[in-house]
Amino acid sequence: GQQLNQSPQSMFIQEGEDVSMNCTSSSIFNTWLWYKQDPGEGPVLLIALYKAGELTSNGRLTAQFGITRKDSFLNISASIPSDVGIYFCAGMNYGGSQGNLIFGKGTKLSVKP
Amino acid sequence: GAGVSQSPSNKVTEKGKDVELRCDPISGHTALYWYRQSLGQGLEFLIYFQGNSAPDKSGLPSDRFSAERTGGSVSTLTIQRTQQEDSAVYLCASSSSGTGLYEQYFGPGTRLTVT
Repeated sequence: GQQLNQSPQSMFIQEGEDVSMNCTSSSIFNTWLWYKQDPGEGPVLLIALYKAGELTSNGRLTAQFGITRKDSFLNISASIPSDVGIYFCAGMNYGGSQGNLIFGKGTKLSVKP
Repeated sequence: GAGVSQSPSNKVTEKGKDVELRCDPISGHTALYWYRQSLGQGLEFLIYFQGNSAPDKSGLPSDRFSAERTGGSVSTLTIQRTQQEDSAVYLCASSSSGTGLYEQYFGPGTRLTVT
C-alpha cells in the first residue's frame, strides 16, 4: 500500500544532541501524527497536527505540519538514552473511504550514553 | 482507564492452521483498526471498524483474513490456513469520535510466527 517517505532511516547520535527527522508525501494530508515504538510494544502517540503550518511541542519534542500539507518534521532537543526507539510519522486524508493512517517506515534512533 | 489490550501476546502455529487474535479497545472508543507490522517495516493497514458502519476491509491481503467486531467493542482477527508469510506482529488500535478519530491508540500487538 501507499507509504510515506520518512528519513533518515536510522540515526546514531551523541546524548545531548538535537535530532531532526521528516516525512514527505506525494499526497496532501489533513492530519499528521508522530508515534514512537519501543521494542515489543505498540506505537505510542507523541504529537498530532491538524493545521498546515501548525507547530506543536510535547516536552523536548516539537513537530510541524508543513505549509504544503505534504510534509512534516519532528525535532527532539537534548536527546537522552530513553529516546531510543523507532519513530513513525503517519498521515491521514479527509474524504477517503478509509479511516486508516498511512505510515512511514520509521526512523530508528540510537543514542550513545 | 485501561489501554488497548491484545491477546495472545505471542502465537506460534503450524502452517495451514487457523488462528484467532483478539483486541479489546479502549472503553468508549468507536473506531477500531487492525494493522500488520513485518520485521523492520512500517505498519500495514488491514481493516477498520467505525461504529455500526460496514467495516473497511480494503487492506486485507487475501480472503484468508477476516475480522469481526462484536457489540461495537471486542474484535477478533482470524487468519485461515496460515502461511509463513503471515508471520508478523498484528497491532490493534482504537480511537474516539470527532477530532479524536485521527488519534489512534495502539495495543502491544500479537507476535504471530508460522512454522
